[in-house]
Amino acid sequence: DSGVTQTPKHLITATGQRVTLRCSPRSGDLSVYWYQQSLDQGLQFLIQYYNGEERAKGNILERFSAQQFPDLHSELNLSSLELGDSALYFCASSVTPQGETQYFGPGTRLLVL
Amino acid sequence: AQSVSQHNHHVILSEAASLELGCNYSYGGTVNLFWYVQYPGQHLQLLLKYFSGDPLVKGIKGFEAEFIKSKFSFNLRKPSVQWSDTAEYFCAVNRERGSQGNLIFGKGTKLSVKP
Repeated sequence: DSGVTQTPKHLITATGQRVTLRCSPRSGDLSVYWYQQSLDQGLQFLIQYYNGEERAKGNILERFSAQQFPDLHSELNLSSLELGDSALYFCASSVTPQGETQYFGPGTRLLVL
Repeated sequence: AQSVSQHNHHVILSEAASLELGCNYSYGGTVNLFWYVQYPGQHLQLLLKYFSGDPLVKGIKGFEAEFIKSKFSFNLRKPSVQWSDTAEYFCAVNRERGSQGNLIFGKGTKLSVKP
């Protein structure tokens, strides 16, 4: 157990819908990262937050957004969902924004039908 | 742009065989290097990491990796694999002292160990 929690574990929804994925970092970690794992793209970085502020953006679609709240938990919002958004979404956390060691959560498996 | 290459997509070994998984990265500056393991249906777990110092790094479960700066490589090794090592292995880098810490991952290598 890494100490990073993610909910829900599984999510099945339809195209065009919107979903919210939630992540709670390890106690004491201020930085949260979101990654997407799919069969064709592999593991790709989406976005990073540090202490409530957006720190870095990767290959995140405009339909996707995220935020980090004062209690440091983070939410990833995916809207206008397409079949190709089906993937495993991981959250990771680290103490510093440089991410020397990142601890990963169990992931949310999203299936868009 | 940074990239990470893992040479083998799928490796099949018998128990007690030795393992070496290749990883090369491309980046002109100094990087931190990682190997993560993902057991079937589970999340990524850190196996080992290299920041600086001794280029031979020991990790958990008997794994080790060697950083060869001149070759931009960080290969993972284990002298004798077990059936329980069946998993997918990911090499990753991030920039040392970068302003952001996101990891760049390789495509992963699936390891299947036959009992």
